[in-house]
Amino acid sequence: DVVMTQTPVSLSLAIGQPASISCKSSQSLVHSDGKTYLSWILQRPGQSPKRLIYLVSKLDSGVPDRFSGSGSETEFTLKISRVEAEDLGVYYCWQATHFPQTFGGGTKLELK
Amino acid sequence: QVQLQQSGAEVAKPGSSVKISCKASGYTFTSYFISWIKQTTGQGLEYIGYINTGSGGTNYSEKFKGKATLTVDKSSSTAFMQLSSLTPDDSAVYYCARGLWGFDYWGQGVMVTVSS
Repeated sequence: DVVMTQTPVSLSLAIGQPASISCKSSQSLVHSDGKTYLSWILQRPGQSPKRLIYLVSKLDSGVPDRFSGSGSETEFTLKISRVEAEDLGVYYCWQATHFPQTFGGGTKLELK
Repeated sequence: QVQLQQSGAEVAKPGSSVKISCKASGYTFTSYFISWIKQTTGQGLEYIGYINTGSGGTNYSEKFKGKATLTVDKSSSTAFMQLSSLTPDDSAVYYCARGLWGFDYWGQGVMVTVSS
């Protein structure tokens, strides 16, 4: 299975600060169809996960544009330009290029 | 609006089975696969497999073959997952999600507790 490694494990930031989360895969995530099936989800405390970004950089409807995704092949990044209180929770990257799909270990974003 | 409504929490004894449901609404059920994901504190998120809601075809992660059985009832737009031969390691929150690779909508999760 493809191993997804996320760093850091936790982030403690003040409102308004930028955030950056790294996700590295053990294999290239470029599918034979040319697409890269790398997504990011946020799980707020006590809630089910919510997808934020898919196909590396496409924002889901309603997701603020302070979120952005980038990367290619095996290295990917989620950035938040200015953290807001509603952004707190655990962020996961996951890949769907290779079966079975696999998830990163998560990055917990907390308020400083 | 799209919703995936899952059944309620389950408490089961070791060796028994549970069957949890995922009722879809707000879209054409057979237009999207349903995937299932396990979440534990120790192992994080694990992909169980998916069901083609139109044909009933399934594909399971190797780890969950023989553990999970996915079925679907098109008439009620509901997907099901049966977990068999339960052990304490099966205690987790189980989510259904829409799609094969996109997971744009998730159910609220079902907590399964396996305890004697």
